[in-house]
Amino acid sequence: AQKITQTQPGMFVQEKEAVTLDCTYDTSDQSYGLFWYKQPSSGEMIFLIYQGSYDEQNATEGRYSLNFQKARKSANLVISASQLGDSAMYFCAMREGLRGNQFYFGTGTSLTVIP
Amino acid sequence: DAGITQSPRHKVTETGTPVTLRCHQTENHRYMYWYRQDPGHGLRLIHYSYGVKDTDKGEVSDGYSVSRSKTEDFLLTLESATSSQTSVYFCAIKRGEGETQYFGPGTRLLVL
Repeated sequence: AQKITQTQPGMFVQEKEAVTLDCTYDTSDQSYGLFWYKQPSSGEMIFLIYQGSYDEQNATEGRYSLNFQKARKSANLVISASQLGDSAMYFCAMREGLRGNQFYFGTGTSLTVIP
Repeated sequence: DAGITQSPRHKVTETGTPVTLRCHQTENHRYMYWYRQDPGHGLRLIHYSYGVKDTDKGEVSDGYSVSRSKTEDFLLTLESATSSQTSVYFCAIKRGEGETQYFGPGTRLLVL
């Protein structure tokens, strides 16, 4: 079974609108971490936001927030007030265990922001 | 900026030739990782290192070997490159909250 599932291959959003990118995960561990990365067309992988499995509050970093629903095993990324520079691939990833070494990545969602 | 550089950034090689990719970090991190990125697969772990001369396999380690003779350098070797190893290779370190992994700029490898 896939550890990380991203079901939206491509998404479009109007500039200044909010957008939600979906991510579901599969693990039997009680301790795990969830991460989102952005990959612009230039190719680098940019860390955006982290949520620990024991964190009760949803993580936020500027315009990014992570909608963490533990019972549903979902970790959706919400980008508020989209900007043209947000157009990129977005990857959800999971680390199992407190200090697990392998990150499991989803296949990504391509976001296009329309002016 | 995680202080990670990768070399070369682009390489074209022929099937059957050996290839070595280098990852260099300047912040004395203990853990270093090699991933490959392919369409439809996201990133997948090849090998990682938890110290000098200490390495372990990831989920797609076949056909790859690694070495770490000093903290700052982690080398990935394709002993005999195949076309299926055409990919983008990323090196990473981990630090900070959640043991977040931070990635280098990547190396594009084309095996003809």
